[in-house]
Amino acid sequence: QKEVEQNSGPLSVPEGAIASLNCTYSDRGSQSFFWYRQYSGKSPELIMFIYSNGDKEDGRFTAQLNKASQYVSLLIRDSQPSDSATYLCAVNVYGNNRLAFGKGNQVVVIP
Amino acid sequence: EAQVTQNPRYLITVTGKKLTVTCSQNMNHEYMSWYRQDPGLGLRQIYYSMNVEVTDKGDVPEGYKVSRKEKRNFPLILESPSPNQTSLYFCASSLALGHTGELFFGEGSRLTVL
Repeated sequence: QKEVEQNSGPLSVPEGAIASLNCTYSDRGSQSFFWYRQYSGKSPELIMFIYSNGDKEDGRFTAQLNKASQYVSLLIRDSQPSDSATYLCAVNVYGNNRLAFGKGNQVVVIP
Repeated sequence: EAQVTQNPRYLITVTGKKLTVTCSQNMNHEYMSWYRQDPGLGLRQIYYSMNVEVTDKGDVPEGYKVSRKEKRNFPLILESPSPNQTSLYFCASSLALGHTGELFFGEGSRLTVL
């Protein structure tokens, strides 16, 4: 099993709708979880991090963590065309020495 | 301006010709790392460094070398490049990876090995 899995294909959402992205991880000892956004041709940038079970909100973004199910999700409310990007889930592994990334999910917001 | 600078940004080379991709950060970060990004495979870590003179292998270290003689620099060396090392490479640094997980990425270096 891969350390971090993002299995959904490209996600197309109408402008103003909610985009929902999911991620599972294999290391039950993982403590910190992150969402990065990568625009086409650009480098990744951090948009959210979460440590505790439950929800964490930052503007239009909400990260959700369920450690029992080893599941992290990202909700983007009121999606805008500028949200069109690839979203990478990342998990801190091996005692905080590195981040393992999922393959990413492409989001396309349709005006 | 706080940044991670990689050079070259684009490079086409031939099999077996040694090359170095430089990486420099001006944020006094202790942690630095190299990733490669390939379609369908995502970001995979090559090497990382917790501090000067401390380096360790990531997921895909074969065919690569690194060094960390100064805090700000973390070059990636391909001693004998092969076509399967054609990829997009990112250098990244972090002040406290274990806390916020915020990696600051360079703009990327697109390498083609013929």
